[in-house]
Amino acid sequence: KQEVTQIPAALSVPEGENLVLNCSFTDSAIYNLQWFRQDPGKGLTSLLLIQSSQREQTSGRLNASLDKSSGRSTLYIAASQPGDSATYLCAVAEVGSNYKLTFGKGTLLTVNP
Amino acid sequence: NAGVTQTPKFQVLKTGQSMTLQCAQDMNHNSMYWYRQDPGMGLRLIYYSASEGTTDKGEVPNGYNVSRLNKREFSLRLESAAPSQTSVYFCASRTDYYEQYFGPGTRLTVT
Repeated sequence: KQEVTQIPAALSVPEGENLVLNCSFTDSAIYNLQWFRQDPGKGLTSLLLIQSSQREQTSGRLNASLDKSSGRSTLYIAASQPGDSATYLCAVAEVGSNYKLTFGKGTLLTVNP
Repeated sequence: NAGVTQTPKFQVLKTGQSMTLQCAQDMNHNSMYWYRQDPGMGLRLIYYSASEGTTDKGEVPNGYNVSRLNKREFSLRLESAAPSQTSVYFCASRTDYYEQYFGPGTRLTVT
């Protein structure tokens, strides 16, 4: 059974710092990996989708990498801002699962002004 | 484009009552999903529909039924609510490029 782990569970940084969030998964047979952001009491917002054949994706200050063979992904946030404070979730779609997502439990990020 | 919409936003039920959570998407996606989110458990898949007219069980289907009414709408029904079904419920739909988009959620409390 696919398991997705996110470390750390919580992270607090000062504004302006560059930071990395980690995601690992146990079965490397995946279609893709998706990073989401969730604000308190809200739904999930898709940030980046990396297909299994890709190594990284970038959107603005966000860069996500994927190393499928080692079962790891990182989300890099450059020049963090207080508005980046949220929970970040990663999820994988396992081959043969009809693209159902298995989620990690998230990293709660706090960016202090 | 409203994306994925869910109704109601909040609901309180007594044990044994029934209700239907509604979900609709206006992006012409074939696949739709229902998840629940619980503290410490993360998001777990309840049911999904790969296309209109088909539904399949996810990780935690017990106590729930679903209906894929048409391509736009996918509803989740609790026939006899239990306190263990207190949760936040999210509906999602998937693009042809396999990216999932989520609705705002329904916060359900069963007393």
